[in-house]
Amino acid sequence: DTAVSQTPKYLVTQMGNDKSIKCEQNLGHDTMYWYKQDSKKFLKIMFSYNNKELIINETVPNRFSPKSPDKAHLNLHINSLELGDSAVYFCASSPGGSEETQYFGPGTRLLVL
Amino acid sequence: GIQVEQSPPDLILQEGANSTLRCNFSDSVNNLQWFHQNPWGQLINLFYIPSGTKQNGRLSATTVATERYSLLYISSSQTTDSGVYFCAVERNQGGKLIFGQGTELSVKP
Repeated sequence: DTAVSQTPKYLVTQMGNDKSIKCEQNLGHDTMYWYKQDSKKFLKIMFSYNNKELIINETVPNRFSPKSPDKAHLNLHINSLELGDSAVYFCASSPGGSEETQYFGPGTRLLVL
Repeated sequence: GIQVEQSPPDLILQEGANSTLRCNFSDSVNNLQWFHQNPWGQLINLFYIPSGTKQNGRLSATTVATERYSLLYISSSQTTDSGVYFCAVERNQGGKLIFGQGTELSVKP
């Protein structure tokens, strides 16, 4: 019973390519997030969607575009990949309401060569 | 923006020992969570604890919101407790969690 799932788990690609990472949650949560974890394990929020609406958009290059086709899915598309995009990308979700516990997916390890 | 500082940055324990991890934050918060990132990279939510004390097995956490710190206690540590422990806070920003830099724990058999 996977709560928050991401595909693919690993992604190795060349500079300049375009790639997508998919995220799905089966928890019935209203809010979903994308985080980036760098090589020093620092975690930073990138985007957040609530019921398919963008509510948090941090200072992220516009090569990164999130898309939420429905409230159970939040995908991340990255254009013109750069070496500095290499990182682990985590999707998360939270139920909304008074307790905003966030549940994280397994992560997607992206390596740009 | 709000600053989150965790201490110590690294900790090595013998199996069976107890430990306390600390998280200081620079402003009032409405959300504080502790996470464990295991050696395989999975982030597991341990506690949602903006204030008060909670316990779950060998782990417990206390947040003193008025003094802007939280503590995570690990008792009778096991090798499976190894990994990085993160504290993350939010200040009324629709779920925008700000993470500390983590405490890397290694439990030796």
